[in-house]
Amino acid sequence: QKEVEQDPGPLSVPEGAIVSLNCTYSNSAFQYFMWYRQYSRKGPELLMYTYSSGNKEDGRFTAQVDKSSKYISLFIRDSQPSDSATYLCAMSYASSNTGKLIFGQGTTLQVKP
Amino acid sequence: EAGVVQSPRYKIIEKKQPVAFWCNPISGHNTLYWYRQNLGQGPELLIRYENEEAVDDSQLPKDRFSAERLKGVDSTLKIQPAELGDSAVYLCASSLVVRSVASYNSPLHFGNGTRLTVT
Repeated sequence: QKEVEQDPGPLSVPEGAIVSLNCTYSNSAFQYFMWYRQYSRKGPELLMYTYSSGNKEDGRFTAQVDKSSKYISLFIRDSQPSDSATYLCAMSYASSNTGKLIFGQGTTLQVKP
Repeated sequence: EAGVVQSPRYKIIEKKQPVAFWCNPISGHNTLYWYRQNLGQGPELLIRYENEEAVDDSQLPKDRFSAERLKGVDSTLKIQPAELGDSAVYLCASSLVVRSVASYNSPLHFGNGTRLTVT
C-alpha cells in the first residue's frame, strides 16, 4: 500500500464548476501538506502549503486537511480551462526539515469551455 | 526571481550509454533535490543536498547513478550505464532550509525537468 493515495482520474468538468480533488494517507506523522499543479511538460508548481489540520484559502483555491481521517482536499471554485492540469498532493514529516516530499499519483483535470 | 533551471530539456540515448543532467537552483537556496517522475506517477526523491553535502541519498541507485553539487550551487546527476527502465522525467528542486527554526519546512520549487528516453 502506498503512503499517499490519489485517484488519477481523469476528471472532466465544465467551465465554472466546483472541483474537488482528494488524497488519503496512511502515516499519521505527516504534518506538512501541499498541492502542486503540473502542466504538461512542465515541473510541478506549488499551489497551496498548509501545516497540520484546518483550511486555507487562496483566491479560487481552498485546501483542507483532516488529520483525524488522514484526508486532504483541494477545492477549485469557478474552474477555468486554464486550470486543466495534473494536480499532485504532497506531504512531509514534522520537524525533520528533510524536504522529502511524498507525492500522490496525481489527478488529471480537464475543464471544458 | 529566476526559477530552477535544468538542462537539457530532452535527451534520447541508447541503453548502456552514459547521460548527465544539470541543475541551477534558485539563488540563495541552500538545499537541492533530484526527483524522478515516471509516467503517470508522482515524483520520487533520489537525493537531497544541503549545501555541498548529500544528506539523503537512500533512494539513489548507487550502482549506476551518481550526483555532485560542487560549491553548493549547481548540481549534476549522472547515469552510467543507462537502462530502459531509467526512462522518466528527472526533476530538480530547491528550497531554503533554516535549521534554527525547528518546525520550518520550506516548500520546494521545481524546474521543468529533463525528459530522458532510453531506447
